[in-house]
This record gives sequence, structure tokens and C-alpha cells, in this order.
Amino acid sequence: DVVLTQTPPTLSATIGQSVSISCRSSQSLLHSNGNTYLHWLLQRPGQSPQLLIYSVSRLESGVPNRFSGSGSGTDFTLKISGVEAEDLGVYYCVQGTHAPWTFGGGTKLELK
Amino acid sequence: QVQLKESGPVLVQASETLSLTCTVSGFSLTNYGVIWVRQPPGKGLEWMGIIWRNGNTDYNSALKSRLSINRDTSKSQVFLKMNSLQTDDTAIYYCTRWFAYWGQGTLVTVSS
Repeated sequence: DVVLTQTPPTLSATIGQSVSISCRSSQSLLHSNGNTYLHWLLQRPGQSPQLLIYSVSRLESGVPNRFSGSGSGTDFTLKISGVEAEDLGVYYCVQGTHAPWTFGGGTKLELK
Repeated sequence: QVQLKESGPVLVQASETLSLTCTVSGFSLTNYGVIWVRQPPGKGLEWMGIIWRNGNTDYNSALKSRLSINRDTSKSQVFLKMNSLQTDDTAIYYCTRWFAYWGQGTLVTVSS
């Protein structure tokens, strides 16, 4: 199974600060069809997860454009350009290229 | 609008079988796959399995031997069944349509 390693596990930020989260895969997430199925989710406390970014860099409808995704192959990054209070929670990467699909361990974003 | 809602028992005895239902609205199960995800209290997300729009399924390797996912397209319902439950199967169980739409989740406690 594909293992996704997220770093850091915890991230402390001030409002307005830009931060990045890394997601590294144990194997390439490039599908044979040319797509890369690596997505980013945010789970706020007490809520169901929310899709932020799909297929590496595509912003889900309604998600602020301070969120951006990049990467290829085995290395992927989620960047938040100017953290806001509503961004606090746990971020997960998830891959859908190889069955079974797998989640990263999560990165908790806290206020400094 | 798209909605998903999980239903099922709150408490299950160890060694018994868990049966959950995900009732969807706003889309057809023949057009979209549905994924099951679970989250033990205080822990990260775990991908359990998917039933694709054609009815095919894929499962988490660690759960494959005791998990099945089926559906009734006429009732817009997806069913999860998992046998031989243990206390570490205690979790919030979510169904989601491609991570873009989520149910509220249902907490299942396995009692010894």
C-alpha cells in the first residue's frame, strides 16, 4: 500500500503568516492515465473534513485562493498564503491513484 | 443539493457485525462512487473502501477480510458491513462523495 508521510505533524502560525505542509508518497502518484490523484482536506474541530485541493493543484469551488497546491511524482505541498483564524484544524493529504487509497497522518495547524 | 447521511447503531458488542447505511440525495449512485472513511477518537482519518459508480469495490487491505460495501441504487443507499468487531473499531464513520461532499458522520462504539 502507498504510504503518505506528512510533515510537520504540528504547525504553529500567527494570523497572516504563510505556511506550507509537505506530503511525501512512498511511490509515484502519477496514474497511467496521466492524472495525479493527490488531494488535500481540512478538518476543523468537531466537523467533517472539507475538500480544499484536488488533483494536486485544483482549487475546490468555494475555497479561498490563499490555499494552493503543488508538486508531482512523490512530493507534494499545500501552501496557505496568509493564515486566517478559520484555517485552524488538521490538514490531510489523500491519494486516489493506487488502490487501496490512503491518507497521510495529518498536520495540525495551531495559533502561535 | 447533494447530501449524504449515515445511519446505524451507536453501540455494538465486540465480535458482532456492524451495519451502516449511507443515504444520499441530489445525485445518482450510478453516476458517482461513494467512499467510507473512519476516524477513531482523537486520531486521523482511515480510508475504508469505495463502491464505484459501476458497482465495483475496493477495500482497505487491513480490513478487506471482514468488510463489504454494497448498494441499492433504487433507494439511493450504500451499505457498509464489517464483522468481527473489536474495541479498536470504535470510531466516527463517514460516507463521502469523492471527498467533496461528506455526511455528518456517525459515532460507533464497540463494547467488550
